[in-house]
Amino acid sequence: DIQMIQSPSSLSASVGDRVTITCRASQNINIYLNWYQQTPGKAPKLLIYGASNLHSGVPSRFSGGGSGTDFTLTISSLQPEDFTTYYCQQSDSTPRTFGQGTKVDVK
Amino acid sequence: QVQLQESGPGLVKPSGTLSLTCTVSGGSINYPYWWSWVRQPPGKGLEWIGDIYHSGTTDYNPSLKSRVTISVDKSKNQFSLRLNSVTAADTAVYYCARWSDGYNLYFFDYWGQGTLVTVSS
Repeated sequence: DIQMIQSPSSLSASVGDRVTITCRASQNINIYLNWYQQTPGKAPKLLIYGASNLHSGVPSRFSGGGSGTDFTLTISSLQPEDFTTYYCQQSDSTPRTFGQGTKVDVK
Repeated sequence: QVQLQESGPGLVKPSGTLSLTCTVSGGSINYPYWWSWVRQPPGKGLEWIGDIYHSGTTDYNPSLKSRVTISVDKSKNQFSLRLNSVTAADTAVYYCARWSDGYNLYFFDYWGQGTLVTVSS
């Protein structure tokens, strides 16, 4: 199985901050990396697919980068609705695996 | 707009069988997508359980493969999950989702709202 490790597990920030979350795969996954946002009590929502492609309807303050084993999710200017949890997920092979999540909370 | 909705018992006894159904609306389950189950134990991360293709081909997480069956009922536009021999460790919110693709890049683009299944006597 491909292991996905996110860092940090949590971070504190303020509205307007630029934040970056990192995801590392245990082996080369090319660009087969997706990012999801999950608010409490809700299903995950797709933000980024193929490492850097913004899903339809997702605000442009979200961006993704990386390839191979190292990937990033950047929020350029945090908005109040962005204080929640983010997951990376590899789409290179099955079993499909997720990172453990990164919780973004208010400083 | 595609919508998915999970249904099934919220409480299952230990050693019993967990059975859930996902009803797809706003689109046909017969289109060439994989239809998936993902679960999330309370306060924890996401775990992929398995998929079924519209043709009936399945793919399961090896960690659960011996206990899992996913099936599809095209006439009802539904797919289902059965998980045998459950224990407290199977307590989780269970989501159904669509595994889709855009330009050979694959992702979960539609999700159900999730349903909590508790394993307890």
